[in-house]
Amino acid sequence: DVKVTQSSRYLVKRTGEKVFLECVQDMDHENMFWYRQDPGLGLRLIYFSYDVKMKEKGDIPEGYSVSREKKERFSLILESASTNQTSMYLCAAGTAFYGYTFGSGTRLTVV
Amino acid sequence: AQKVTQAQTEISVVEKEDVTLDCVYETRDTTYYLFWYKQPPSGELVFLIRRNSFDEQNEISGRYSWNFQKSTSSFNFTITASQVVDSAVYFCALSEDHTGNQFYFGTGTSLTVIP
Repeated sequence: DVKVTQSSRYLVKRTGEKVFLECVQDMDHENMFWYRQDPGLGLRLIYFSYDVKMKEKGDIPEGYSVSREKKERFSLILESASTNQTSMYLCAAGTAFYGYTFGSGTRLTVV
Repeated sequence: AQKVTQAQTEISVVEKEDVTLDCVYETRDTTYYLFWYKQPPSGELVFLIRRNSFDEQNEISGRYSWNFQKSTSSFNFTITASQVVDSAVYFCALSEDHTGNQFYFGTGTSLTVIP
């Protein structure tokens, strides 16, 4: 099974800070995804990547960017954190055919 | 339009009761895949089941069962004799053959099993 590791379970950042959320998978999987989860809204796709240095916008990319320099690592970047980016962030790897494996999530609070 | 609808936002049941979580999907593809995930309080989404559009057989795994009905575009999930450990948020998801690797998630159903 693919294992997906998110570096932080909880983060508290200040408004305007640049924030990096890291995600690592332990298999040679091409597809990786970043979602945010908010009550009543479910999971919303922020960005995804099909390969190294490739990225595609999801449904809510505004205020975010991503980096995929190595196949196993997919980073989500909040260029200038705002309070409306307080959320649970979930990283995933896998395919829509077989299903995704998710990390344990990072709960980000922006104050 | 929402591709996956989970109309039940929150459900509470008493331990040992049976509970069914509803999932209705929308797609024009003939080939698609349906999934259920469980998210316990720890936060990680755990894969429960995958079903492709050509396989309408119901699935049973221990206390869990799934009823896939193409005629009503539904993929419902039943927990028999619920236990406190079943308390979680459950997500239904759809992937369509033509969209590559994107999932469409429902908004989730929060299940609380009361001891």
